[in-house]
Amino acid sequence: KAGVTQTPRYLIKTRGQQVTLSCSPISGHRSVSWYQQTPGQGLQFLFEYFSETQRNKGNFPGRFSGRQFSNSRSEMNVSTLELGDSALYLCASSPQTAEKLFFGSGTQLSVL
Amino acid sequence: DQQVKQNSPSLSVQEGRISILNCDYTNSMFDYFLWYKKYPAEGPTFLISISSIKDKNEDGRFTVFLNKSAKHLSLHIVSSQPGDSAVYFCAASSEGGKLIFGQGTELSVKP
Repeated sequence: KAGVTQTPRYLIKTRGQQVTLSCSPISGHRSVSWYQQTPGQGLQFLFEYFSETQRNKGNFPGRFSGRQFSNSRSEMNVSTLELGDSALYLCASSPQTAEKLFFGSGTQLSVL
Repeated sequence: DQQVKQNSPSLSVQEGRISILNCDYTNSMFDYFLWYKKYPAEGPTFLISISSIKDKNEDGRFTVFLNKSAKHLSLHIVSSQPGDSAVYFCAASSEGGKLIFGQGTELSVKP
């Protein structure tokens, strides 16, 4: 079974731009979660989608949004990028509940 | 509000010795706990988990201990090897909830 696939692997943007990150979960997994990893902060929960509906949400501003498609693939969008948005964005999938997660390799976003 | 805390950012251990990584949590509703291991430029991979109805779970060289009264869990790695060098994250969840991670502890196993 293929693992969780995230594209692109690396991304460089400038302040004020917007960005879309993509995630393809493991086949058969219906839950997709997104996390932001920054040094010293660990993995901060952004949101979780299940069957195209946002089921849980973290404490991030509205500039961070996401969606899930009928094939369980998910996208994450960040608008009006700030320097502090530079981070590794990780997508994870699971069959039903967002307990035992399987992670992708992440998208490394640099905002200049 | 950091509900899951790993207070040691780093740990250095000699090869062959035991590594002990610690994690504290504040939310008494958490009922499932996991440890993940992360190498640079890769996503975290699941290592071991424990349900709140148990106080110990073992898998090969890895053992997780849960002390519910102290809201504390620990990961013990016996016979530590250089290949165990990575960042270790503990995580916790409650039923139907999201997985909350700690800040991570970077383990370095020296030959």
